[in-house]
Amino acid sequence: GEDVEQSLFLSVREGDSSVINCTYTDSSSTYLYWYKQEPGAGLQLLTYIFSNMDMKQDQRLTVLLNKKDKHLSLRIADTQTGDSAIYFCAESPYSGGGADGLTFGKGTHLIIQP
Amino acid sequence: SAVISQKPSRDICQRGTSLTIQCQVDSQVTMMFWYRQQPGQSLTLIATANQGSEATYESGFVIDKFPISRPNLTFSTLTVSNMSPEDSSIYLCSVLSWEDTSNLFYEQYFGPGTRLTVT
Repeated sequence: GEDVEQSLFLSVREGDSSVINCTYTDSSSTYLYWYKQEPGAGLQLLTYIFSNMDMKQDQRLTVLLNKKDKHLSLRIADTQTGDSAIYFCAESPYSGGGADGLTFGKGTHLIIQP
Repeated sequence: SAVISQKPSRDICQRGTSLTIQCQVDSQVTMMFWYRQQPGQSLTLIATANQGSEATYESGFVIDKFPISRPNLTFSTLTVSNMSPEDSSIYLCSVLSWEDTSNLFYEQYFGPGTRLTVT
């Protein structure tokens, strides 16, 4: 079946850039997503990238997709304390975008050091 | 967009009992899902709640253990039956909302989750 892998923890200094990495196994993935989960809150979609794109930028967020290596990354520029959360990589193996249940990684806990 | 609420937000239950979790959406949605997030684990899809028909369960999940109701387009329930400590998890309701029909892109919204502890 599909598999999505992430590092469990990432620690960065406030003001630095954070880069969260994700690898996936399903070559038919159509959409890849980054979700954010703050303590006690539900999941929030941060951004997504369609599989025919290499990069997507949205304010402080940059998503890079290497489809050949099945590698996805999320870069957060100028990391702030409010960015402290768990970040989930997810993929949809079906056409039609997120029309079916997603496959999630275990999440990367981003820790911000002052 | 869609705003989702879940009840209860958390509960502590005894082994062998059952708990029904409610999911309410502020708009009509076609597709609703139930996920489980066990401690230290990723989210796992339990089932798709279909309005007007039986839920579609993922491998490893069965209707007798996780019966689901979907009486209308804004509401669903998930029951965790005959609970054991292994059922201790966060259970999340999720819905799909059309965001970009030209690219057939749906956005998936998640509820705040129900934290279940089974003793």
